[in-house]
Amino acid sequence: DSGVTQTPKHLITATGQRVTLRCSPRSGDLSVYWYQQSLDQGLQFLIQYYNGEERAKGNILERFSAQQFPDLHSELNLSSLELGDSALYFCASSVSGQPSHNEQFFGPGTRLTVL
Amino acid sequence: GENVEQHPSTLSVQEGDSAVIKCTYSDSASNYFPWYKQELGKRPQLIIDIRSNVGEKKDQRIAVTLNKTAKHFSLHITETQPEDSAVYFCAASPGGGADGLTFGKGTHLIIQP
Repeated sequence: DSGVTQTPKHLITATGQRVTLRCSPRSGDLSVYWYQQSLDQGLQFLIQYYNGEERAKGNILERFSAQQFPDLHSELNLSSLELGDSALYFCASSVSGQPSHNEQFFGPGTRLTVL
Repeated sequence: GENVEQHPSTLSVQEGDSAVIKCTYSDSASNYFPWYKQELGKRPQLIIDIRSNVGEKKDQRIAVTLNKTAKHFSLHITETQPEDSAVYFCAASPGGGADGLTFGKGTHLIIQP
């Protein structure tokens, strides 16, 4: 157990819908990263928040957004869902905002299926 | 942005033999190179990492080497065991500021009994 929690574990929804994925980082970690894992694209970095502020953006679609709250938990919002958004979504956390300084601990993931 | 290439995509070795997985990266500013192991249906877990000021790092049966000039790094697993069977990912992170990890496509390591 990494100490990072994610809910829900599984999510099944229809095209065009909107969902919210939730992540709670390890105690003491200020940075949260979101990754998408699919068979064709592999593990891709989406976005990073550090202490409530957006720190870096990766391959995140405009239909996707995220935020980090004062208690440091983070939510990833996916809207106008398409079949291709079906994937495993991981959250990771680290102590500092620079991944070169600290290990990223991954949560168990949320498996999203869009029908 | 950073691009990480990983080879081979599948590697089958006899139990007790060594396994080597190789990665190359494109951004010379990258300075942190972790390796993650992911078992089926599970989260990626860090097994070893190396920073650009170090050429080699070892942890029991696992070692990582880094050649900054050639922009490649490798994972070496000796005396492989059945529990080493998993997908292994290399990653790189550019220095100079916060950023997410850029991952290779993964290597499926199969340990044959």
